[in-house]
Amino acid sequence: GEDVEQSLFLSVREGDSSVINCTYTDSSSTYLYWYKQEPGAGLQLLTYIFSNMDMKQDQRLTVLLNKKDKHLSLRIADTQTGDSAIYFCAERRTGFQKLVFGTGTRLLVSP
Amino acid sequence: EAGVTQFPSHSVIEKGQTVTLRCDPISGHDNLYWYRRVMGKEIKFLLHFVKESKQDESGMPNNRFLAERTGGTYSTLKVQPAELEDSGVYFCASSQAGLANVLTFGAGSRLTVL
Repeated sequence: GEDVEQSLFLSVREGDSSVINCTYTDSSSTYLYWYKQEPGAGLQLLTYIFSNMDMKQDQRLTVLLNKKDKHLSLRIADTQTGDSAIYFCAERRTGFQKLVFGTGTRLLVSP
Repeated sequence: EAGVTQFPSHSVIEKGQTVTLRCDPISGHDNLYWYRRVMGKEIKFLLHFVKESKQDESGMPNNRFLAERTGGTYSTLKVQPAELEDSGVYFCASSQAGLANVLTFGAGSRLTVL
């Protein structure tokens, strides 16, 4: 099926770590992406991971991929109020150019 | 480099009217995509152009939607006649050929059909 699933909402305190989870259905996915949408803005690519990798780290962001369980996570270390946004995961399947997105997780960071 | 530009940012129309959304991709990007997000739901693929050709239009909901990309540059998405369920945010994205298909998105056009 087409479903990429995410929890709808996550609330954390400033300075804590945030972990946003995503499950996908297609084992042929080649690339998996995390996008961020701030209010009134478009989708901003945060990071992406190729399917033969287990982990990718980029400054405060860590992406973990469990291909067996079709589970992708985004960890944000030392979360700041400016990280409050909607986070979308997306997958790209073999033979296709289009991305399949999840419903988005709204992250709220309180001071 | 200029990003992906979409116009208008917000359009409010009545059911039965016509609306045309425009997208200007990043210069040199052969791939252009249209996506839509209906309130609170996932971002759904509509279609994909490679230059001026429609590569994949499997996500277009019905024949009230018409997308064009004249000369392989900007693209338009026309909805005629608009229905209530067409309300949502329409995103355009572009990418270069041959990379990990990193899409750069525009800010979106919000369509409200009353």
